[in-house]
Amino acid sequence: DQQVKQNSPSLSVQEGRISILNCDYTNSMFDYFLWYKKYPAEGPTFLISISSIKDKNEDGRFTVFLNKSAKHLSLHIVPSQPGDSAVYFCAARRTGNQFYFGTGTSLTVIP
Amino acid sequence: EAGVAQSPRYKIIEKRQSVAFWCNPISGHATLYWYQQILGQGPKLLIQFQNNGVVDDSQLPKDRFSAERLKGVDSTLKIQPAKLEDSAVYLCASSLFGGVKNEQFFGPGTRLTVL
Repeated sequence: DQQVKQNSPSLSVQEGRISILNCDYTNSMFDYFLWYKKYPAEGPTFLISISSIKDKNEDGRFTVFLNKSAKHLSLHIVPSQPGDSAVYFCAARRTGNQFYFGTGTSLTVIP
Repeated sequence: EAGVAQSPRYKIIEKRQSVAFWCNPISGHATLYWYQQILGQGPKLLIQFQNNGVVDDSQLPKDRFSAERLKGVDSTLKIQPAKLEDSAVYLCASSLFGGVKNEQFFGPGTRLTVL
């Protein structure tokens, strides 16, 4: 039962343009959402998060948007840089600090 | 600040053999997680510890997998006997309980190949 879904397995974007990564969830009990970035042969690293009581959180080039009614969140990267090329995982937290991860989107930023 | 340590980084075994993975979380992190990440999929939680107690092990195949965190610090995950479908990266993560960002810090993972 996949409670967090990332329907785009891959995305290619030109350097300097905007990258938009999408994530959908099914469980309305999730209260916190996070994005992780993963390079090959490394564990995921935390990127940005958002509480369910907010609809936007911004940190430098990264912005996460949350649409609770649609059970949808997105990560915007502006401007995209070649070093952003990685796999991005969306994760959602349930009470008890239990996390559910999506299947990931592989982002390639083309120089 | 030292990160989450895991060993070994790679392990190749034959089916029906046993294997154990070790994790040392970030100092002071009460919560420890073991995830299984099969190629092309996201991490799937196997077991979650709060100090040395189990919070959630609902997705742990208990007939073959076991995990312990005896002193509330290090943890080991064991598979006995291994099956072909256990081939995956096993990730350990830790977090501050109730941390502001609720973020988990991941180790580099152990890549297991079962032949």
